[in-house]
Amino acid sequence: RKEVEQDPGPFNVPEGATVAFNCTYSNSASQSFFWYRQDCRKEPKLLMSVYSSGNEDGRFTAQLNRASQYISLLIRDSKLSDSATYLCVVGDLSGGYNKLIFGAGTRLAVHP
Amino acid sequence: DVKVTQSSRYLVKRTGEKVFLECVQDMDHENMFWYRQDPGLGLRLIYFSYDVKMKEKGDIPEGYSVSREKKERFSLILESASTNQTSMYLCASRRQNSYEQYFGPGTRLTVT
Repeated sequence: RKEVEQDPGPFNVPEGATVAFNCTYSNSASQSFFWYRQDCRKEPKLLMSVYSSGNEDGRFTAQLNRASQYISLLIRDSKLSDSATYLCVVGDLSGGYNKLIFGAGTRLAVHP
Repeated sequence: DVKVTQSSRYLVKRTGEKVFLECVQDMDHENMFWYRQDPGLGLRLIYFSYDVKMKEKGDIPEGYSVSREKKERFSLILESASTNQTSMYLCASRRQNSYEQYFGPGTRLTVT
């Protein structure tokens, strides 16, 4: 079983749609959670951290459910520029070091 | 603004060649990382360094070595390139005790 699992997609949605991505992780002791965004042929960049209480950044809302080991990302009012791959990332303390474990990503394509 | 640069965007090498991939960061970050990214597998950690002259194996170190002689520079070495090392290689850096990583633009290596 992969440590961080995501539906690879692609999710094809029209502009203005609301879309949600989910992610599960296997290590119940994981400490930190993030969503990174990766545009085609570009490097990953931090989109937002995910907190237990849930957090929002504009059109983006992230939720964490520790009991189910589940993370979600909701994008409202999708824009063409939201088209990208979204990486679910879990931070573990491993061997005394903070280690990031990346999911394989969920691809989103927003069309006019 | 954090900047992580990598020596080449695209590289083509022959089987058995020694390959050097260079990474430089300008934010005085203590920690540096080398990942490879393959379709469906996500980013996998090859090696990381938490300080100058220090290195730790990641999840897939076989066939690779690293060098960190200066704080800003982290090199990945393929001692004898093989076709299964054809991949996208991403370098990243971060401040000590932080989870947020900043990535370079990546080097797409093809081994023929």
